Amino acid sequence: DIVMTQSPDSLAVSLGERATINCKSSQSVLYSSNNRNYLAWFQQKPGQPPKLLIYWASTRESGVPDRFSGSGSATDFTLTISSLQAEDVAVYYCLQYYHSPRTFGQGTKVEIK
Amino acid sequence: EVQVVESGGGLVQPGGSLRLSCAASGFIFTNCWLSWVRQAPGKGLEWVANIRQDGSEKYYVDSVKGRFTISRDNAKNSLYLQMNSLRAEDTAVYYCVRDACNSDTSDTGTLDSWGQGTLVTVSS
Repeated sequence: DIVMTQSPDSLAVSLGERATINCKSSQSVLYSSNNRNYLAWFQQKPGQPPKLLIYWASTRESGVPDRFSGSGSATDFTLTISSLQAEDVAVYYCLQYYHSPRTFGQGTKVEIK
Repeated sequence: EVQVVESGGGLVQPGGSLRLSCAASGFIFTNCWLSWVRQAPGKGLEWVANIRQDGSEKYYVDSVKGRFTISRDNAKNSLYLQMNSLRAEDTAVYYCVRDACNSDTSDTGTLDSWGQGTLVTVSS
């Protein structure tokens, strides 16, 4: 199974500052035949189900603010919040969907400093 | 609007059984894989199982293999999870989630629509 490891486990960022979350997979999730990375990012706020933010590593889901961006390829990926807003306080998870079993990272808690 | 609604959660004793259901609407059900994902209290997300559009392929996380069975009824736009030999560590909120779909339904390729979840508590 592919193991997903996120860093850091938590971070505190001032309002308006940049937040960066990393995700590393134990094997490549880049599918050579279509050149797509099977990597997604989710946001989960307390008491709510997760919400898809980013898919194919860098494609923003409809309605997601453009301060959220995803980058990376193969085994190393990053979620960036360019200017942290109060409503961005949440836990963020990466997910590989290269094959089943799908596997999530352990989560990164983002708070306001 | 895509909707998935779970039901069937509750309190069950260790070793017992429970069947979760998920009713889907707002999309072409037979175009999509479907998954169950769970979250233990205060913990992270754990993918549990998924099933292909026609039910011909099923995958499970190792910790539930041989105990849980995923199934679907395409005539009823419904997904199920039969859970047997339940353990305390199966206590979690269980989410029904739309997984990869044919490109004319969704191009995300992944878990893009989530229900609110149903709580399963395994305790004596």
